[in-house]
Amino acid sequence: GAVVSQHPSRVICKSGTSVKIECRSLDFQATTMFWYRQFPKKSLMLMATSNEGSKATYEQGVEKDKFLINHASLTLSTLTVTSAHPEDSSFYICSARDRGRDYGYTFGSGTRLTVV
Amino acid sequence: AQSVTQLDSQVPVFEEAPVELRCNYSSSVSVYLFWYVQYPNQGLQLLLKYLSGSTLVKGINGFEAEFNKSQTSFHLRKPSVHISDTAEYFCAVSEAGSARQLTFGSGTQLTVLP
Repeated sequence: GAVVSQHPSRVICKSGTSVKIECRSLDFQATTMFWYRQFPKKSLMLMATSNEGSKATYEQGVEKDKFLINHASLTLSTLTVTSAHPEDSSFYICSARDRGRDYGYTFGSGTRLTVV
Repeated sequence: AQSVTQLDSQVPVFEEAPVELRCNYSSSVSVYLFWYVQYPNQGLQLLLKYLSGSTLVKGINGFEAEFNKSQTSFHLRKPSVHISDTAEYFCAVSEAGSARQLTFGSGTQLTVLP
């Protein structure tokens, strides 16, 4: 089946530094990937839709300059949290849609970001 | 736009008992419906989905769900739960026929007690 690899699974960084999270579709091509943020005991909040070869579409209230999304190929999307602060600490999850499967959305295993 | 309501934030149930996790949705267009399970510090795993056809959908791990258009519901059921079913369960909806994103409910924590 479709597999999405997300890396790293956990990262701790100092306040003010930047962190890059990678999301790869391993056995299918994903023209569209989605980035979600999940707060403790909360649901998933869509941050942005990443489109291969074009600019990402951000949801209202999500800072484009803080959360940089790049989707340079059909198998890789990256989310960079720039100048991270403790309030950016969260669980980030990516998702990709396999065009070859009936509207199958496959999720990565998530990245736990802790900013100290 | 679509929205999803999961009325129960927590559902405790004893092992081998049946369970139903409720999900209601709102949409002005046709939708696809999904149930996902999330274990601690992990991503989401698809349990089952409804796209069209039979309203009773069977998924993995013995779960099933029934799409009820008149009641705009998609409740998840399992006749006999195991300790390993303890997890967070999310109902999600997307616009039918599109590649748009999923909209998630707030989640239901299922805790199976010995």
